[in-house]
Amino acid sequence: NAGVTQTPKFQVLKTGQSMTLQCAQDMNHNSMYWYRQDPGMGLRLIYYSASEGTTDKGEVPNGYNVSRLNKREFSLRLESAAPSQTSVYFCASSDQDYGYTFGSGTRLTVV
Amino acid sequence: GESVGLHLPTLSVQEGDNSIINCAYSNSASDYFIWYKQESGKGPQFIIDIRSNMDKRQGQRVTVLLNKTVKHLSLQIAATQPGDSAVYFCAENHAGGTSYGKLTFGQGTILTVHP
Repeated sequence: NAGVTQTPKFQVLKTGQSMTLQCAQDMNHNSMYWYRQDPGMGLRLIYYSASEGTTDKGEVPNGYNVSRLNKREFSLRLESAAPSQTSVYFCASSDQDYGYTFGSGTRLTVV
Repeated sequence: GESVGLHLPTLSVQEGDNSIINCAYSNSASDYFIWYKQESGKGPQFIIDIRSNMDKRQGQRVTVLLNKTVKHLSLQIAATQPGDSAVYFCAENHAGGTSYGKLTFGQGTILTVHP
């Protein structure tokens, strides 16, 4: 049982490049989330998917898009990376009791 | 908007002491609270949760206390060990609104346990 798996673990992008962060969970959770974590600011919600086929904006959605490919997978895309998007990105999934399981994170640097 | 914050950004204790990490929340409608532990280079890990119809909940070496009157949450760790050194986050949720499953996190408290 792997829980929540994120790829890649590390990435360096040049300004303007695009990339997709992948996330998959094997716990049959309905809800999935993407958070970013910046120093001194805790975790902030980018996008979430309450169930397969639905996605909604969180607190900081600008510059990102998401796709809930199926119940297991929820990807985050940066179409044109900016230095302000340098952060650690966490994917999480939850069941109806709100119990979150987090992935190990993707450390993204935009230069 | 609503926010969850912490009184102390850092806490240093000696091994074997009890630790208390505090959290203030501002959304009086929040009805579910969670404490997470995050070790360096890892994702947050669930420690313990509490619903608003409770004042106290105990786990293994950890206790969460909820004071709804002053909107305050605390995490007590008994007999703190070096392995408890990490960043601790509180998070809250208001299930009755449209924020289903969306947690609001505090900034975090760094706990350092000295041998």
